Amino acid sequence: DTAVSQTPKYLVTQMGNDKSIKCEQNLGHDTMYWYKQDSKKFLKIMFSYNNKELIINETVPNRFSPKSPDKAHLNLHINSLELGDSAVYFCASRRSIDYTNTDTQYFGPGTRLTVL
Amino acid sequence: SQQGEEDPQALSIQEGENATMNCSYKTSINNLQWYRQNSGRGLVHLILIRSNEREKHSGRLRVTLDTSKKSSSLLITASRAADTASYFCATPRKGNTPLVFGKGTRLSVIA
Repeated sequence: DTAVSQTPKYLVTQMGNDKSIKCEQNLGHDTMYWYKQDSKKFLKIMFSYNNKELIINETVPNRFSPKSPDKAHLNLHINSLELGDSAVYFCASRRSIDYTNTDTQYFGPGTRLTVL
Repeated sequence: SQQGEEDPQALSIQEGENATMNCSYKTSINNLQWYRQNSGRGLVHLILIRSNEREKHSGRLRVTLDTSKKSSSLLITASRAADTASYFCATPRKGNTPLVFGKGTRLSVIA
């Protein structure tokens, strides 16, 4: 009964490869996010989706392409992986996109990506 | 860009002691939230304080908010080894933008 799940948990790959990370939430939330956490633990928003529509793209290289087939899923595809892409990627969800309310944001367990 | 900045970056205390972490932010906020991250895990929501609140309690957690100083503090009383984790403050920047997190405080509670 995991609220926000991600697969895979670990991903080790060579530079130049293309890889995908999947995220699913079973909370019935409208809004989903991808965050990147670097080696210094800095957590940075990458994308925000609301009802399958892209709301925010935080100047992420276009090698990163999120896809939301439905409200419960937000996948992240990365083309031509680079060394600097090595990080932990977190998916998160929230009931709504309206931050004037006090809904909690729920995070997945993270996917540790290592690019060699 | 970052909104919240936690201080200190790292804190090491003995079990039973209190731990205090601070967060400063830059712009006006609607609310401020604290999250905990255990090693190798995702972030877990701890507590939210609204901009019109000054103090909030949840179990052994006490959060204060000073909007005039644009700062918040998280106090964990009677700490336990299981409290060892990184603690982050987060705020929405404005409108419906997602939470922006600080770099976190790494708390180590030594048994």
